[in-house]
Amino acid sequence: EVVLTQSPATLSLSPGEGATLSCRPSQSVSNSLAWYQQRPGQAPRLLIYDGFKRATGIPARFSGSVSGTDFTLTISSLEPADFAVYFCQQRDKWPITFGQGTRLEI
Amino acid sequence: QVQLVQSGAEVKKPGGSVKVSCKASGYPFSGYYLHWVRQAPGQGLEWMGWIQPNSGVTNYAQKFQGGVTMTRDASITTAYMELGRLRSDDTAVYYCARGGFIPATHFDSWGQGTLVTVSS
Repeated sequence: EVVLTQSPATLSLSPGEGATLSCRPSQSVSNSLAWYQQRPGQAPRLLIYDGFKRATGIPARFSGSVSGTDFTLTISSLEPADFAVYFCQQRDKWPITFGQGTRLEI
Repeated sequence: QVQLVQSGAEVKKPGGSVKVSCKASGYPFSGYYLHWVRQAPGQGLEWMGWIQPNSGVTNYAQKFQGGVTMTRDASITTAYMELGRLRSDDTAVYYCARGGFIPATHFDSWGQGTLVTVSS
């Protein structure tokens, strides 16, 4: 199965700063990668799909990009509600797999 | 708007089974694949399988084959996930999530989650 390695495991930043989160697949997944945000006690929320497409209602400060086989989620100008756990997910190869998450903390 | 509402928390004994429901509304139920994903306490997300609500066709992750059964009742737009032979490491929050028109997809709407605790 495709292993998604997320880095860093924890990212400590302050409101107003920018964040860069990485997801590296163990094999090519084309552009078939999504990003989710999960706040404590809540279900995941889709942010980005197909590498760079923003989901409905997601603010423009969230952006996704692909460089080679590596995927990046960038959050510009962090707001307090952005401090959460972020997961990547691939759908290119069965089974569908998720990364272990990056915790974004203040 | 799209809504997925799951059944309440359950406590089960090892060796038993649990059945979680997921009531869908706000979209054509039969048109979208419905997936189940679980999350053990403090852990990441684990995909379990999907059901096509129109045909009832299912596909399970290899880890869960023989232990999970996904069904649906289209007349009440509800999907079900039954997990048997429960073990303590099945303790997790179980989510239903809406996929797309094809099996392999991202998940744009999620249920609120159902905590299943397996304990003697």
